[in-house]
Amino acid sequence: SQQGEEDPQALSIQEGENATMNCSYKTSINNLQWYRQNSGRGLVHLILIRSNEREKHSGRLRVTLDTSKKSSSLLITASRAADTASYFCATARPQGAQKLVFGQGTRLTINP
Amino acid sequence: ETGVTQTPRHLVMGMTNKKSLKCEQHLGHNAMYWYKQSAKKPLELMFVYSLEERVENNSVPSRFSPECPNSSHLFLHLHTLQPEDSALYLCASSQLTPGGEEKLFFGSGTQLSVL
Repeated sequence: SQQGEEDPQALSIQEGENATMNCSYKTSINNLQWYRQNSGRGLVHLILIRSNEREKHSGRLRVTLDTSKKSSSLLITASRAADTASYFCATARPQGAQKLVFGQGTRLTINP
Repeated sequence: ETGVTQTPRHLVMGMTNKKSLKCEQHLGHNAMYWYKQSAKKPLELMFVYSLEERVENNSVPSRFSPECPNSSHLFLHLHTLQPEDSALYLCASSQLTPGGEEKLFFGSGTQLSVL
């Protein structure tokens, strides 16, 4: 299975601290994406990193990708209460029709 | 607002009922998806439609029947469901490109409870 696995399953930090979530996967990928989901809502795309990229930034988000270790990390800096959500990584395989495979997610809680 | 609208937001049905979930995308995308999200399980891809043709069916029980009449609309017809089918059903759309870097845009989901 190419399924991404997030670590940790749950993370609770104080507002203002940085939050780091990790994702591991098993097979070759075309790209890896991170999504966010507020409770009971749909997922929202955050950032995409290609297999030939090592790091990408978007606002307070920093994503790294290590294809040799088949792992990625999502860093949220200066966290805010509004960042409380579940975060999922999703991997896209190198060829064929698009089929993102999602992990189980990390539940992030930011305490005010 | 993601540009993908799902109705209804909540649905309670008995095991003998027939109901349909509706999804509409206003983004001009050429692919649409149904996902199932159950508690403590990864998001499960159920069906993929590309240019209104079903291209993926991940061994979903026949009590789930998708329909894609055009590139903007997607339905999931439900009949004789089981309690274990209770879940959040998410619709998504994307624009397929040769580079394979499609991003999914999700609706808010239909929270389904089967009694």
